[in-house]
Amino acid sequence: DAKTTQPNSMESNEEEPVHLPCNHSTISGTDYIHWYRQLPSQGPEYVIHGLTSNVNNRMASLAIAEDRKSSTLILHRATLRDAAVYYCILMSLNSGYALNFGKGTSLLVTP
Amino acid sequence: DTAVSQTPKYLVTQMGNDKSIKCEQNLGHDTMYWYKQDSKKFLKIMFSYNNKELIINETVPNRFSPKSPDKAHLNLHINSLELGDSAVYFCASSPLGRANYGYTFGSGTRLTVV
Repeated sequence: DAKTTQPNSMESNEEEPVHLPCNHSTISGTDYIHWYRQLPSQGPEYVIHGLTSNVNNRMASLAIAEDRKSSTLILHRATLRDAAVYYCILMSLNSGYALNFGKGTSLLVTP
Repeated sequence: DTAVSQTPKYLVTQMGNDKSIKCEQNLGHDTMYWYKQDSKKFLKIMFSYNNKELIINETVPNRFSPKSPDKAHLNLHINSLELGDSAVYFCASSPLGRANYGYTFGSGTRLTVV
């Protein structure tokens, strides 16, 4: 399965934009890029996903590089409530579209 | 509310006991999952199940068994509990074979084996 690489942790100030990077250099053409987050003491929560084009939803934006070897999750205005572990995951036909979590990026938001 | 719900939220039990965790989803999804999150916060898939196929992570001991009375329910039964089974267990669901659709997770069951 194609793997993803994320920084262990990032820090942001409240009300500023946050760009969370993810490298996936071995991505295949049919792999979808998914982002989830896990707030403290809660279950993982779906954030956004994409295949080739950039995507926007009410929670975030997903920017996908033209060669698809990297992507960036963008939180436009971080709030204290956005402090969580963010996971970038490739959903692959080869793995039956299973959601396999890595270590993710722990985002700290400071007032 | 549409959701994935798990019961109980907390479970404390002694070594050697047998216990079950229940999971229900009302999203109409075809596939359900169990995940384990250990003390190091690493989330690992244990099972995926739809009405045709059970896929087991090969690292899961056979003391763990999923039981599905119908498409909306997937319970996790654990025999002969061990200290190392202490973890948070999450149930999730998704449409069958759809990579362009997100999973929905329950809020977790914290199992403590003493």
